[in-house]
Amino acid sequence: QSALTQPPSASGSPGQSVTISCTGTSSDVGGYNYVSWYQQHPGKAPKLLIYEVSQRPSGVPDRFSGSKSGNTASLTVSGLQAEDEADYYCSSYAGSNNFWVFGGGTKLTVL
Amino acid sequence: QVQLQQSGPGLVKPSQTLSLTCAISGDTVSTNSDTWDWIRQSPSRGLEWLGRTFYRSDWYNDYAVSVKSRITISPDTSKNQFSLQLKSVTPADTAVYYCVRSHNWNFDYWGQGTLVTVSS
Repeated sequence: QSALTQPPSASGSPGQSVTISCTGTSSDVGGYNYVSWYQQHPGKAPKLLIYEVSQRPSGVPDRFSGSKSGNTASLTVSGLQAEDEADYYCSSYAGSNNFWVFGGGTKLTVL
Repeated sequence: QVQLQQSGPGLVKPSQTLSLTCAISGDTVSTNSDTWDWIRQSPSRGLEWLGRTFYRSDWYNDYAVSVKSRITISPDTSKNQFSLQLKSVTPADTAVYYCVRSHNWNFDYWGQGTLVTVSS
């Protein structure tokens, strides 16, 4: 069982927006602004989408955005495109005992 | 552009040692600004951070509690690579293993992944 809780699935039609949640505790998501989001296509390694809650690495479209409120972080994908269909994982720093924890992943389907 | 190239066997017998290597290009294992981590992924455990090695005027390691008694991550500065050793493996250690660079509190570059199956 993963330390962070994500919905197992989400879906939306092309052009729509979808938000994926990631719920932790005050020891991880709520305690640090080191929440990241990763996109993983089948058979590929995860790819960094969002870091430090809401920052986008260069090359990541601004359709992807992140936020946090309390112990829950969120990833929003706007203007859904077919290539956004993938698994999405959140991660958070969890202090010097547990270091890094992950969510169980959300499979995003573009209808 | 940073690239991480993994190598190592895909099949390990129970009770033996899993060994993987990650060759780095475009960065240096002894950099003061990054850490070099191993993460695994399996259907039963999801993504699991295993540990890291890093240089801050000396070499340091951190390991996940779940594998702390069995794991060693070590740098090889002469070859600009780092390695993972996991002792006394069981079928529960079957997973895809990734070497990863951590920069500014995120995992920004990943190796291609190695499926390691623990089976006799």
